[in-house]
This record gives sequence, structure tokens and C-alpha cells, in this order.
Amino acid sequence: TQLLEQSPQFLSIQEGENLTVYCNSSSVFSSLQWYRQEPGEGPVLLVTVVTGGEVKKLKRLTFQFGDARKDSSLHITAAQPGDTGLYLCAARGEGTYKYIFGTGTRLKVLA
Amino acid sequence: ETGVTQSPTHLIKTRGQQVTLRCSSQSGHNTVSWYQQALGQGPQFIFQYYREEENGRGNFPPRFSGLQFPNYSSELNVNALELDDSALYLCASSLLRGETEAFFGQGTRLTVV
Repeated sequence: TQLLEQSPQFLSIQEGENLTVYCNSSSVFSSLQWYRQEPGEGPVLLVTVVTGGEVKKLKRLTFQFGDARKDSSLHITAAQPGDTGLYLCAARGEGTYKYIFGTGTRLKVLA
Repeated sequence: ETGVTQSPTHLIKTRGQQVTLRCSSQSGHNTVSWYQQALGQGPQFIFQYYREEENGRGNFPPRFSGLQFPNYSSELNVNALELDDSALYLCASSLLRGETEAFFGQGTRLTVV
């Protein structure tokens, strides 16, 4: 069974600080996605990475896919209260169609 | 807004009852996946439907079943509800089977008492 572990589980930081969230597995994935979910809402796709070593930027968010396609990181620069939410990684194994979700990182940015 | 709508948004059922949840996929999307998200957890894959046929299933018992209709909308049925079935149920639609970009609905919050 493929498992995706995210760390940390919870993070509470002050506005303006930087943070990194990690998504790790022992399995190789064909693609990996990051989502953000707010209470009472469905997850919203932030980015998809498919190539080992790939780096994508979305404003203050930087996403990296590990060289071996087993892990990923999400780095937020100068966090803002609007970044508060549950961050989920989801990955698809090679030869499969379903996405497996990580355990999630709950981020709270204090003003 | 993604164009994926789920109904109802909230539901309370009694243990042992049956429930049907509905999902209207985004226009043109022919693939629907259903997920269960327990409080404080990431979504768990239940199953996927592609062109009206089940295309893959997660570790859920047979009392979780589904349908996809010719217009690609979908239903999730759960029989003999248990307390642990209380969760947010999400559907996601995509254009093609295996498509990287899937759009989620807002979910149905099911409470089993």
C-alpha cells in the first residue's frame, strides 16, 4: 500500500515568517499534486508536478518534486493569514489512475 | 468555483440506514472519483467511474457502491450505515481517466448517529 506522510501535521506561525511542508513516501510516483482546503470546502488544486527535480512557483509558494519522484516540498515565503488552511499532497502511482492523499498539514498564520 | 456540485451539503442519518449522495461533474468531464475525508484526515479514495463503469476501487467494503449516468453525473450509495461512516464525502471530476487536473466539489457532510 502506498502511503504519503506529511510533516509537520500542525504549524502555527506569525505573519511574515517562512515555512516548509514536506510530503514523503517510499514509493515512486508518476505525478504529485498539492491542494489547499478550507473548512467546509473541497480541496483546491494548487500545482501538479511530474518531472523529478521539477520546481514550480505560484506567487509566494514554491513547490519541488524530489529527484527520485518519491517526495515533495512546499515552501511559503512571508506567510499571510490568508494562507491558513489544510495543505494536502496527493500522488498517483505509475500505471494507476487513482490519487492517494497525504495526511495533511494544518497551517495557521497569525496576524 | 469549479462547476462540480454535490448534494445535499449536510445530512444526518441513523445507524443502519442507507444514504445516496449525488455529484454533478463539470461540463464535459467523463470521469468522477469519490473520496471519504474523516475529520482531521486526508481524503481516502473510494472508487472512480469512467464512462459509466467502475474504474478502480479503494479499500472500502461492498456496502459502498456507486453509479455514473450517461450525462456523467454520479451517485454514491452507502448501505447499513455505521457511526464511522461519518465524514465529508467529496467527488472530483476530470476530463479524462488519469487526467492530472481534477476538480473537487464542496463535499457532503454526513453524520451518522
